[in-house]
Formats: sequence, C-alpha cells, structure tokens
Amino acid sequence: DAMVIQNPRYQVTQFGKPVTLSCSQTLNHNVMYWYQQKSSQAPKLLFHYYDKDFNNEADTPDNFQSRRPNTSFCFLDIRSPGLGDAAMYLCATSSEGDSRGTDTQYFGPGTRLTVL
Amino acid sequence: DAKTTQPPSMDCAEGRAANLPCNHSTISGNEYVYWYRQIHSQGPQYIIHGLKNNETNEMASLIITEDRKSSTLILPHATLRDTAVYYCIVRDDDMRFGAGTRLTVKP
Repeated sequence: DAMVIQNPRYQVTQFGKPVTLSCSQTLNHNVMYWYQQKSSQAPKLLFHYYDKDFNNEADTPDNFQSRRPNTSFCFLDIRSPGLGDAAMYLCATSSEGDSRGTDTQYFGPGTRLTVL
Repeated sequence: DAKTTQPPSMDCAEGRAANLPCNHSTISGNEYVYWYRQIHSQGPQYIIHGLKNNETNEMASLIITEDRKSSTLILPHATLRDTAVYYCIVRDDDMRFGAGTRLTVKP
C-alpha cells in the first residue's frame, strides 16, 4: 500500500548532539511537510517542500533544517537539540496542483524524539 | 493562528451518532473546512472536507451552515476505535491545527 514512512519511530539523542529524522513516501506526492507536536498540543507546521522549493515558517527556529534529495525522501535535521525540542515529529505529504488549500495531507506515524 | 473554535472534549455512547461542532466565523469565501483526527500516538488521519455543500464519505458526514460560519462532523455510529482528538481546520494555504476536540466513545 502507498504510504508515508517515518524512521525511526523512537529516537533518543543527547543535549546538543545533532540528530536527523527521516521520512519517505510511496505516494509520489510533490509536497512534503514537517510538523512538530509537543505533548498535549496540536501539531505545528515547521516547514514544507513544494517540489524542490523550501518554505520555512516564520517562527521555526534556525536550529531546524530540512533536506529533500528527491521526491520520495525528506529529512529533518536538528543541529543542536535542546530539552525543549523533545516532541513527536510528523511528516506529511500531499499532491498539490494550482489550488493551494485544497489538497489532502497524508501523515506518517511520527518519530518521537527524546532529548537527554 | 487557528481560525476555528471547538469544544475541548465530548463523550459519546458506543453505537450512537457523535456530532462534533466547529465554529469558524471568520472563514472567507474560498477557504475549505477540513476535519482530521488523531488517535493516541499516531499521525493525524484525514476524515473529510468541504467548501459549501454538505459532504459524506465512508467515515463521516460534514454539515456546513449556509453562512459557512460553523460546521458539524457526524460519525453516524461511533465505535470505541473512534476515540481520538478531532481537529477542524480552515485552510488558506497551509494547514494550521487548533486545539481540537477530544472525543471519548464509551461502552
């Protein structure tokens, strides 16, 4: 089945140690998103790729970066994780034509990041 | 900021219809109403969306008022597996989640 895959499901890192989360998709969607969801909060959009074009949210910290080497894969890099970066990180994809705001997003299961 | 207001929590008896309200009084003419749900420790799952007309699919029905300032998601026969946080989202370009409604389906 076509799907959005996130690996690993659980990631533990140390304070200040760079960490990379990965997302892959078999849906051949042109848009990929990264969301951060802290405990008991709603998901918050960090950034997205529209094809190869990177779109950062204004309030996303510089500590968070992303790479999309091809259509299928997208990575979230946290350069120096702090304790406040512990959260669930959700990847989503959509197939977007000319009309923004009408595409359905399909989410992966998320990666839960723990910072020690 | 989210453009929607939802009750923080609701209960529903198993087998009964669950009616989840959402207010979006500042919605503009070309903005869609989307509903997603998130079961504990999983990614959000798309349920349904609409613009002006009522919509129905295999999961739920969406009723949008004529002035489009509010909507109701209806799960016709709720099961225990429908226990989740339900998010009503008004889309401009990006999808911004509000706090959602935590629905608990009870036996």
